[in-house]
This record gives sequence, C-alpha cells and structure tokens, in this order.
Amino acid sequence: ETGVTQSPTHLIKTRGQQVTLRCSSQSGHNTVSWYQQALGQGPQFIFQYYREEENGRGNFPPRFSGLQFPNYSSELNVNALELDDSALYLCATKTRDATDTQYFGPGTRLTVL
Amino acid sequence: KQEVTQIPAALSVPEGENLVLNCSFTDSAIYNLQWFRQDPGKGLTSLLLIQSSQREQTSGRLNASLDKSSGRSTLYIAASQPGDSATYLCAVSMAGTASKLTFGTGTRLQVTL
Repeated sequence: ETGVTQSPTHLIKTRGQQVTLRCSSQSGHNTVSWYQQALGQGPQFIFQYYREEENGRGNFPPRFSGLQFPNYSSELNVNALELDDSALYLCATKTRDATDTQYFGPGTRLTVL
Repeated sequence: KQEVTQIPAALSVPEGENLVLNCSFTDSAIYNLQWFRQDPGKGLTSLLLIQSSQREQTSGRLNASLDKSSGRSTLYIAASQPGDSATYLCAVSMAGTASKLTFGTGTRLQVTL
C-alpha cells in the first residue's frame, strides 16, 4: 500500500461526455503527477501540479485539465471524451525533494464507448 | 526526445532461476532511473530508485545497475518465485523535470512452478 488512493476504480462513459477523476495524496506529498496508460503500453505523463499550480505538461490537448487542492488532493478532468481516451489513469505523489521516489495510486480504469 | 526501450517484452522462467531484465534509454542526461512492478490492472509499485550518480541499488533479491554513459540499466532478480510474476517497468527522469517520468513499455514476467 502506497497511501495514495484514487476514485472511482472503474468508469464507463460515452464519446463527448466529460469525466472527473480524483486522487488523494500521501501525507506530506505536495507534488502530484497524472499519467495515462493504454493497454499494453507504459504510462504517459499528462501533467504535474505543485502547490496548486500546473508545473509541467506532457503532449496532451487542453481538454485534459487538472486541479490541486490545499490539502494536496487532486482532480483530473477530461472534456469531450474520445474513444482513444480509454485507458488506466494513474496519479503519483511525492515530496518536493527531487531525489524522492514517486508513489502511485491503484488507478482508475476509464472506458469510453 | 527521451525514448525508453525494454527487452524482452515477455519472459517465462521456471521457479528458482536467476534472470535479468534490460532497459535502455536514448538521452543519457537523466536525473534518476526507477524500476517499478505492475500487477495486472493495478497501479505501480516502486522497486528501486537509482540516482544518476549511483551505479547500483539492491533490495532483497533485486539488484538494479545503471550505466548512464551507455544508456542502459538492468534489473537482476535472484531465485525467482511465482509471486514475482508481473510486468516490470523502468522509467527515467531528466534534470529539471525530476517528477516527469518517461516509461518503457515493460517486460511481462511469468515464473512457472
């Protein structure tokens, strides 16, 4: 157990809908990153938040957006869902110390029909 | 652009064998390298973290080495057990973006009785 939780566990949506995924941070971890993992692939970096500000973004369109709250929990929002958005979405938290490891949550499985 | 490759994509070994998983990366200016374990449909568990200044890290039956100049890392698993069956992912971070991990596609390991 990493102390990082995500909700919901599974989610089914249809094309064009919007979805919000949630991540709770381990105590003391003020940096959160979100990753998308398609079936059979390695995770792809979406973006990172530090102290409620976006602090780095991967090659994902603006319809992927996020929030980080004062308690360091986080949300990933995806608008105008596409079939290719079907994936496992992982969040990872860490301290600001660059040498620290990241702790991943169990993920949310999103299926877009 | 950093690219991470893992060979082999899949591996099946009998219980008790020692084995080596390989990871290579194209840009040697990494900050650190991590090995993760992923069980089917689950999140990632960090196994070992090697800073760019280090050559290897050990944890129990696991040993990871890093040769930054040649862009290679290996994960050695001694005396494999059926419980080691999982997908193993390596990931690198770059200087200045230490929280952004670039992953390989993983090696799927099966340890048979």
